[in-house]
Amino acid sequence: ILNVEQSPQSLHVQEGDSTNFTCSFPSSNFYALHWYRWETAKSPEALFVMTLNGDEKKKGRISATLNTKEGYSYLYIKGSQPEDSATYLCAFMLGNTDKLIFGTGTRLQVFP
Amino acid sequence: GAVVSQHPSRVICKSGTSVKIECRSLDFQATTMFWYRQFPKQSLMLMATSNEGSKATYEQGVEKDKFLINHASLTLSTLTVTSAHPEDSSFYICSADPGQFRLGYTFGSGTRLTVV
Repeated sequence: ILNVEQSPQSLHVQEGDSTNFTCSFPSSNFYALHWYRWETAKSPEALFVMTLNGDEKKKGRISATLNTKEGYSYLYIKGSQPEDSATYLCAFMLGNTDKLIFGTGTRLQVFP
Repeated sequence: GAVVSQHPSRVICKSGTSVKIECRSLDFQATTMFWYRQFPKQSLMLMATSNEGSKATYEQGVEKDKFLINHASLTLSTLTVTSAHPEDSSFYICSADPGQFRLGYTFGSGTRLTVV
């Protein structure tokens, strides 16, 4: 059974704090790692699709790194804002498939 | 950007009835649509993959006769929960690949099904 784990489950931070979450995934048969941001009552929105070991992606204050050999990815948010409050999902894509296996997500709440 | 419209957002139905959930790709053609289910405090679990013009592929443990999937056009996929029971109460959400790998998949906004 392929397992994708995310930690922490939830996080409460103050506006302006920087934060990071972890996604652990199987290190074998890797094809890609997706990160999504999911605000309440909205659709999950793709943040990054990462494929190469050592890959680093950045979008504004959000960045992500990837280690396929040890099976983990970190998502960083610099200077968190209340609008960053959402659930952040990672999803592992197996080689030769287009299916995504999701973690349970990290729920971030940023207080003003 | 690519948009998937999912309806209804919420539905309450009586036990034994059937419920249809629709997902439409509004500005792209979706040859494949993925259907997920999420129970409280659990991850999105892939139920099935629908393919335009052919039979859906179901994940292990998902009853294909209970969860009927139809993907009759390149912009519409439907999931029908037949003879729904309270244990089918869950959050159902669809996604599609808009064809630009680096941009990830596009999701609907989900359907909260409550069977009473």
